[in-house]
Amino acid sequence: GQNIDQPTEMTATEGAIVQINCTYQTSGFNGLFWYQQHAGEAPTFLSYNVLDGLEEKGRFSSFLSRSKGYSYLLLKELQMKDSASYLCAVMTTDSWGKLQFGAGTQVVVTP
Amino acid sequence: DGGITQSPKYLFRKEGQNVTLSCEQNLNHDAMYWYRQDPGQGLRLIYYSQIVNDFQKGDIAEGYSVSREKKESFPLTVTSAQKNPTAFYLCASGGAGNTEAFFGQGTRLTVV
Repeated sequence: GQNIDQPTEMTATEGAIVQINCTYQTSGFNGLFWYQQHAGEAPTFLSYNVLDGLEEKGRFSSFLSRSKGYSYLLLKELQMKDSASYLCAVMTTDSWGKLQFGAGTQVVVTP
Repeated sequence: DGGITQSPKYLFRKEGQNVTLSCEQNLNHDAMYWYRQDPGQGLRLIYYSQIVNDFQKGDIAEGYSVSREKKESFPLTVTSAQKNPTAFYLCASGGAGNTEAFFGQGTRLTVV
């Protein structure tokens, strides 16, 4: 199986930067996903990393180090609407699209 | 518009009853998935299907059943054997390569 760990909660102020770390242990790694989920709603896709390095998409960036089993999601210029749970999920080569999710990190943005 | 639709959004069930949650997609995706989410926890995989008429158990399949008679549809039945069915249920689908899973809006099931 896979172990996927991420912090339970993080708090930051509007306009600041927050970095959410995710560590994983798995065999046959085939990609790492980040999703945003607002309370009571479905997760929405943010990013996908399969190669080492940084992927930037507007205010959000995601980094992957396969050798370290480590990823982070960077949220810049935080807005109140960014208050949500951020889910790290790993896909393995034996699972053909199945995603194993971490428990999620609740980000609270304060004024 | 292409997408994945779950219904109903809220569902109440009496103890001892079976209930079926609907999931339909028009994205022409081969793979479909059912996840369960409990408060403060991540999504856990119940069942998944990679092709019509074939499906596999996920991590927490006990007390659930599925069917995949059509590519577009992947209904989930929560049976009376499921001891703690109250949860938020999410259906997802993925295409070839599966670099993104698309989620439905979810069904919140409450046992009363």
